[in-house]
Amino acid sequence: SQQGEEDPQALSIQEGENATMNCSYKTSINNLQWYRQNSGRGLVHLILIRSNEREKHSGRLRVTLDTSKKSSSLLITASRAADTASYFCATDLKYGNKLVFGAGTILRVKS
Amino acid sequence: DSGVTQTPKHLITATGQRVTLRCSPRSGDLSVYWYQQSLDQGLQFLIQYYNGEERAKGNILERFSAQQFPDLHSELNLSSLELGDSALYFCASRGPTYGYTFGSGTRLTVV
Repeated sequence: SQQGEEDPQALSIQEGENATMNCSYKTSINNLQWYRQNSGRGLVHLILIRSNEREKHSGRLRVTLDTSKKSSSLLITASRAADTASYFCATDLKYGNKLVFGAGTILRVKS
Repeated sequence: DSGVTQTPKHLITATGQRVTLRCSPRSGDLSVYWYQQSLDQGLQFLIQYYNGEERAKGNILERFSAQQFPDLHSELNLSSLELGDSALYFCASRGPTYGYTFGSGTRLTVV
């Protein structure tokens, strides 16, 4: 079974609004990463947050990590139509040589 | 260009056939990971190699095998193909830090 669970499964917002996606996981991690995928294309790495970090920013992206609740959130501010994509969280497991992906959130930004 | 090269980009083949997917990791990266993305299973970890040796195994079928060669490129062999093997297959490489870099994937269609 997948390590990460994401919600919502789908999100539809207007351009300019903020989008928040959540991810929960089950076991200890080295870090948590967020990826974007445009319709059936490659995975683009967005941001990585280490287990000892609580918040990280990159441009319009803000990621938080709460290791006590085993959860993370990705906030995209001032969304654009070009942000329309699927977003995945992936956990780099502390014990295990692999990234485990969540099911993803499909974001649609309407212009 | 992520630096991870996957070939071919698209592959259409018949049931029962065998195919080989190829991945060249980013220069200097010793680890190669294979993932399968299908509509019903999401992104599933298949197998990891590090400097030619298998390091971790995930949900990889017995009909599938992989190897990593001395020049660090990797091949994923899929045999006795079934309709359900149709998916997007990703390769990722990882360097000495925590960063994973994904290729653009091979879309396999089994007809």
